[in-house]
Amino acid sequence: AQTVTQSQPEMSVQEAETVTLSCTYDTSESDYYLFWYKQPPSRQMILVIRQEAYKQQNATENRFSVNFQKAAKSFSLKISDSQLGDAAMYFCAYLKTGNQFYFGTGTSLTVIP
Amino acid sequence: DAMVIQNPRYQVTQFGKPVTLSCSQTLNHNVMYWYQQKSSQAPKLLFHYYDKDFNNEADTPDNFQSRRPNTSFCFLDIRSPGLGDAAMYLCATSLYGQSTDTQYFGPGTRLTVL
Repeated sequence: AQTVTQSQPEMSVQEAETVTLSCTYDTSESDYYLFWYKQPPSRQMILVIRQEAYKQQNATENRFSVNFQKAAKSFSLKISDSQLGDAAMYFCAYLKTGNQFYFGTGTSLTVIP
Repeated sequence: DAMVIQNPRYQVTQFGKPVTLSCSQTLNHNVMYWYQQKSSQAPKLLFHYYDKDFNNEADTPDNFQSRRPNTSFCFLDIRSPGLGDAAMYLCATSLYGQSTDTQYFGPGTRLTVL
């Protein structure tokens, strides 16, 4: 079975600082995709960044980047220059071929002005 | 803008009273999903449609049903809601349901069961 673990239920960061959210996953597959989704309070879930497992290069999207360690099954999200609008629940998700999505339990990020 | 729309945003129902949640999409995606998200938990997939083909998750209770009358609309029916069914229900779509596809989420419907 595939599982996704986010070991940090809550994190906080000072505005303009950098924060890293952790995610590990368990799989026997070699081909899969990993995602970070952001869910602001009372708002819809939106895609932040995604990583294809076959790519060694870490994905980046403006201030968001990942550290993908395939052998360690680790997929952390780094947010640089944190902004107040980054405050949200962040979900790590795993997608394998066959379209089954698995989400972690989420990390609630607070941005301190 | 192309969107995933869920109505209503907030739904209150009584214990045992059937309720229907609605999802529509303007993305013309083939796949539509329903997730249940309880407080402080990850979204849990209930079922999905690939076109008209219905795919139920093994642990989805029989109390939950779904209909997809056309490409744009998908409904979640809860036949006899219990207190434990109070949750946020998320609808999502993807183009082909493949690993390369991103899932696009609606804003969710928060269901309260009295």
